[in-house]
Amino acid sequence: KAGVTQTPRYLIKTRGQQVTLSCSPISGHRSVSWYQQTPGQGLQFLFEYFSETQRNKGNFPGRFSGRQFSNSRSEMNVSTLELGDSALYLCASSPRGFEETQYFGPGTRLLVL
Amino acid sequence: GQQLNQSPQSMFIQEGEDVSMNCTSSSIFNTWLWYKQDPGEGPVLLIALYKAGELTSNGRLTAQFGITRKDSFLNISASIPSDVGIYFCAGHGLNNDMRFGAGTRLTVKP
Repeated sequence: KAGVTQTPRYLIKTRGQQVTLSCSPISGHRSVSWYQQTPGQGLQFLFEYFSETQRNKGNFPGRFSGRQFSNSRSEMNVSTLELGDSALYLCASSPRGFEETQYFGPGTRLLVL
Repeated sequence: GQQLNQSPQSMFIQEGEDVSMNCTSSSIFNTWLWYKQDPGEGPVLLIALYKAGELTSNGRLTAQFGITRKDSFLNISASIPSDVGIYFCAGHGLNNDMRFGAGTRLTVKP
């Protein structure tokens, strides 16, 4: 079974731009969660999607949004990028929810200049 | 957001030694999870704990969900070089929010 895939793996943007990251979960997994990882703040939960609905949300501003498609693939969008948004963005999938065993993708490393 | 207090931040040990790390929180958690992350990769779930007092093993790894529901520990016995990496604790709070520890960086000398 293929693992969680994320595209792109690396991205460079400038302040004020927006970015869209993509995540394809393991086949059959319906829950996709997104995380931000930085050296200073560590791993922080962004949100979880299940069956195309956002089910849980972390404490991030509205510039961070996401969606999930009927095939469970998910996208995360960050608008009006700030320097502090530079981070590794990880997505994880599980069959039914993020409280289950989550399988992480390799991440997308975003650099905002 | 509020993160978990994980200690130690780093450990340098000799191959064959046992390792212990722990996480604490000021609030109650419903689950405790332990992950390992290798450079350039996403975290891999090692052990999941769902009940206070639960003690679970996964090979040389053992983790426990504290009775107060505010702490958890992870032990690694007879460490080997491939144990090197960053270990994270995580948990789901009462509001189902998920928090992470800052990680313990483990170095194993052959």
